[in-house]
Amino acid sequence: GAGVSQSPSNKVTEKGKDVELRCDPISGHTALYWYRQSLGQGLEFLIYFQGNSAPDKSGLPSDRFSAERTGGSVSTLTIQRTQQEDSAVYLCASSPTGQGGIGYTFGSGTRLTVV
Amino acid sequence: GNSVTQMEGPVTLSEEAFLTINCTYTATGYPSLFWYVQYPGEGLQLLLKATKADDKGSNKGFEATYRKETTSFHLEKGSVQVSDSAVYFCALSENSGYSTLTFGKGTMLLVSP
Repeated sequence: GAGVSQSPSNKVTEKGKDVELRCDPISGHTALYWYRQSLGQGLEFLIYFQGNSAPDKSGLPSDRFSAERTGGSVSTLTIQRTQQEDSAVYLCASSPTGQGGIGYTFGSGTRLTVV
Repeated sequence: GNSVTQMEGPVTLSEEAFLTINCTYTATGYPSLFWYVQYPGEGLQLLLKATKADDKGSNKGFEATYRKETTSFHLEKGSVQVSDSAVYFCALSENSGYSTLTFGKGTMLLVSP
């Protein structure tokens, strides 16, 4: 597509429920990234995909968080047993190759609120 | 490890004032440097970048010069507009191999008419 598309744009869930966040990157971009943006915390890196593989998962905050990417395209970030501290804006980005120096294109994010 | 430090906001200016947002970095190698902007309710957009020392990135009247000697990449604009009100993020990535972006915490700019 023309840009990075994320859905849903807003999600309110009850504590303890599982949620799935979707990212559709720019067509042909092999690299895909998930970041989390919280008030006062800035932007935290979560996970990086190159094709369908995730060579860097170092930012996932706990084993409740997982992500997959299929067909070198769409990615899903899953949070199990959500907690209130998971409330944040989850941003997805893609880049053509993953090489440094190019910069990313970001989606508009999914605002997750855990009540 | 890599890190980026930005001046804390909010920065409050009147229209047509001069803007500087300071950014300094720590990196193990020779990174590329970026400024991203986030308008209210939107995702981050790349504003400008510089990939090596002494390069100047520029876009929409904004400029930043990669200063290796002071490890800085300060953002400047000569005359801000109300429409420039947004959050500005400084970021870096290593140039070798794959590299994730490391961001500063962001600086909110508020421009009043």
